[in-house]
Amino acid sequence: AQSVSQHNHHVILSEAASLELGCNYSYGGTVNLFWYVQYPGQHLQLLLKYFSGDPLVKGIKGFEAEFIKSKFSFNLRKPSVQWSDTAEYFCAVKDSGAGSYQLTFGKGTKLSVIP
Amino acid sequence: DGGITQSPKYLFRKEGQNVTLSCEQNLNHDAMYWYRQDPGQGLRLIYYSQIVNDFQKGDIAEGYSVSREKKESFPLTVTSAQKNPTAFYLCASSISVGATNEKLFFGSGTQLSVL
Repeated sequence: AQSVSQHNHHVILSEAASLELGCNYSYGGTVNLFWYVQYPGQHLQLLLKYFSGDPLVKGIKGFEAEFIKSKFSFNLRKPSVQWSDTAEYFCAVKDSGAGSYQLTFGKGTKLSVIP
Repeated sequence: DGGITQSPKYLFRKEGQNVTLSCEQNLNHDAMYWYRQDPGQGLRLIYYSQIVNDFQKGDIAEGYSVSREKKESFPLTVTSAQKNPTAFYLCASSISVGATNEKLFFGSGTQLSVL
């Protein structure tokens, strides 16, 4: 079964610092990759996704993620964080083979941005 | 205003009691899901449904039951067999299960606690 590892439980950054959140998955087949974000008091929502093509994908609010197949990784990046980026971030992976219905989530990384 | 509505926001369960969490969507989505979110554990799939009158177990279905009598409704019952029910429960929906680039839409969640 697929598993997803997010390396950091809690990351604390000052505003304008650069961000990189790690995500690795276990299964080596064809996958679809997602980052979801949960802002305080809000619904979980999609930040960005990769399913084919350019391995560097851009999402909302200046976030981007790079799919590196050889490393089974899909790290999330942002060059300069803002206080409003304080949230919990979840990486998720779906095997895109036939009959693959399950989206597997990582344990999440809490990001706290200090003004 | 389309979306997913979960109720109640907070729910308390007594020992030996079954409780039902409501989830309604007006997005005309075929697929619906129930996830359990525990601190530091990420999201784990309890049940999902691809279509009306059909549902499948996820990773942690024991102690839970669901029904899907209407497209827009997917209630979750936490039975007395679930020995550790205290958690945050999230309902989600997507256009269909199995689409490789499906996006999940989430409700605002129900916090269940044991008295």
